[in-house]
Amino acid sequence: AQTVTQSQPEMSVQEAETVTLSCTYDTSENNYYLFWYKQPPSRQMILVIRQEAYKQQNATENRFSVNFQKAAKSFSLKISDSQLGDTAMYFCAFKMNRDDKIIFGKGTRLHILP
Amino acid sequence: NAGVTQTPKFQVLKTGQSMTLQCAQDMNHEYMSWYRQDPGMGLRLIHYSVGAGITDQGEVPNGYNVSRSTTEDFPLRLLSAAPSQTSVYFCASSYAGWTEAFFGQGTRLTVV
Repeated sequence: AQTVTQSQPEMSVQEAETVTLSCTYDTSENNYYLFWYKQPPSRQMILVIRQEAYKQQNATENRFSVNFQKAAKSFSLKISDSQLGDTAMYFCAFKMNRDDKIIFGKGTRLHILP
Repeated sequence: NAGVTQTPKFQVLKTGQSMTLQCAQDMNHEYMSWYRQDPGMGLRLIHYSVGAGITDQGEVPNGYNVSRSTTEDFPLRLLSAAPSQTSVYFCASSYAGWTEAFFGQGTRLTVV
């Protein structure tokens, strides 16, 4: 069975700083996708970034980037120049290539402080 | 473009009552699923469907029923609500084999 582990239940950083959220996962699959979802206080689930396991290059979306280490089964999210609007719950998630089920970690609550 | 629509947004039930959480999508997605979100637990899969007439259990199916009579709709039924079912419920949909899932805005359910 696939599992996703987020070891940081809560983090706080000052505005404009860089923050890294950790995620590890366990799978015997070779083809899969990894995601980071953001859930602001509005409760909406927003896809932040996606990584295909077959791609060695780390995904980047503006201020958001990942450090994907396939051998170590690690998938961390880096937020650069953090903004107050980045305050949210962040979920790491996993999806096998041959299945549509998404498996979520328990989340990291991120506070950006003014 | 409505996307995934969940109703209601908030609901309070008494123990033992029944209710149906509605989920509808207008994107012709084959795959639909229900999750519950509890503090410190992340999102856990309750039931899912890969197409009309096909449903299957997820990680935490007990106490919930689903059906999928059309591609658009995937209702979640609580037959006899229990306080342990107090949670936020999310419906999601996607094209089969695609990576991006679309989520509804969630239903906050309280069972007293």
